[in-house]
This record gives sequence, C-alpha cells and structure tokens, in this order.
Amino acid sequence: NAGVTQTPKFRVLKTGQSMTLLCAQDMNHEYMYWYRQDPGMGLRLIHYSVGEGTTAKGEVPDGYNVSRLKKQNFLLGLESAAPSQTSVYFCASSSTGWSQPQHFGDGTRLSIL
Amino acid sequence: RKEVEQDPGPFNVPEGATVAFNCTYSNSASQSFFWYRQDCRKEPKLLMSVYSSGNEDGRFTAQLNRASQYISLLIRDSKLSDSATYLCVVNRAYGQNFVFGPGTRLSVLP
Repeated sequence: NAGVTQTPKFRVLKTGQSMTLLCAQDMNHEYMYWYRQDPGMGLRLIHYSVGEGTTAKGEVPDGYNVSRLKKQNFLLGLESAAPSQTSVYFCASSSTGWSQPQHFGDGTRLSIL
Repeated sequence: RKEVEQDPGPFNVPEGATVAFNCTYSNSASQSFFWYRQDCRKEPKLLMSVYSSGNEDGRFTAQLNRASQYISLLIRDSKLSDSATYLCVVNRAYGQNFVFGPGTRLSVLP
C-alpha cells in the first residue's frame, strides 16, 4: 500500500547542475501536483497535471519543468539549479480535482550549494 | 491580502485543553475546504474535510462560515500526539488546484 512515493529522499546539488525528481502513485489518481515548502511559508504549487500527457503551471513555475508521460508518474526537473531552489519538495495526487483531498508523498529535501 | 490566512500561533496548551484555530479565505467562490496536519519534517496528512453544515470526527470539529469566509477547527481534550502544525486548505474556485495557509503550530504540554 505505497500511495505516493518520491525519489530521491535527499539530494545535494551544486549551482548549475540539473536533476529530476520522480513521483509515483499507485492509486490510479488523475491529478498530480508538485509543491515546494520553505520555512515560514505555506506550500506553494509549482506545476500540476490533470491527466496523462497534460501539465499546467502553478504559482511558482520558473526554473522547473514537468512531464506526465504515464498516469502514475509525475516528474519534476530542475534545468539549472539555483540556491533559491533549496527547499523541501512534496508531490501529491488526488482522484479528481478541487473537490477531493490530496495525498502526499513524504518529500524530497533538496539543497543547492 | 493573502488568499488564505491562519492564526499565527504557536499555541501552547496543557493536555486535556480545548483549542480552536481559525482560517480566513479571500475568494468567495471557493468550494472545497480541508484541514491537514503536518508533523515536523513530515508530509501533510488529511485531518478532515470541512462541510457546509459543519462536521465532527471524534475530538475534532470543523465549521464553515461562508458569509464571513472563515473556517475553524476545534480540538477537544487535547493529547500530546495532537502536537503538530495545522494547515488550512482552500480550493481556487472551480480550478484544479488549492491554496495552503501558512499553518498554525500547536504544542500540547504534559
């Protein structure tokens, strides 16, 4: 009963490096989301997807790209990492859209030096 | 004005106390409301949805006041295990995404 799984759990990058965070859900959910959480701030939506093959920008999309090639996977890419992207990243999924609660993965702690 | 605002906290209460949190939202067309709890360095977990008529789940009661655009969470008979940050979540009306409040931290003391 995995739910939402994020990999990796921790990562340290140097400025300018690129990487991809993987989110996988086994609940057959249509909607998937990527958030970042910084100290003293609420979760902020980076990108989201309403179904396989679709993506949309959230509140803070700059510097990130996403892909949803398979329904169960939602990838978040950092093209050229910057120290401002040091954060905890959470992936979430929901069965439908705004009327249903989201289920979260346990997060990825990313540090950019 | 922020889309979702919460009591700044932290709330430090003794075991057994009753504590209430408030959350206000700015978009009058919002339709879905939730309370999540988040333990330190963990992911948010759904505590309860908030329905128009109010709803209760054990020691927890949620209320919605559409006219004043706020929701509340009441915790009765606080337990040490209730210590966490409580997040108010409101949907962007008819959109596919949500706004999370900054959270209110609760510490239940022995």
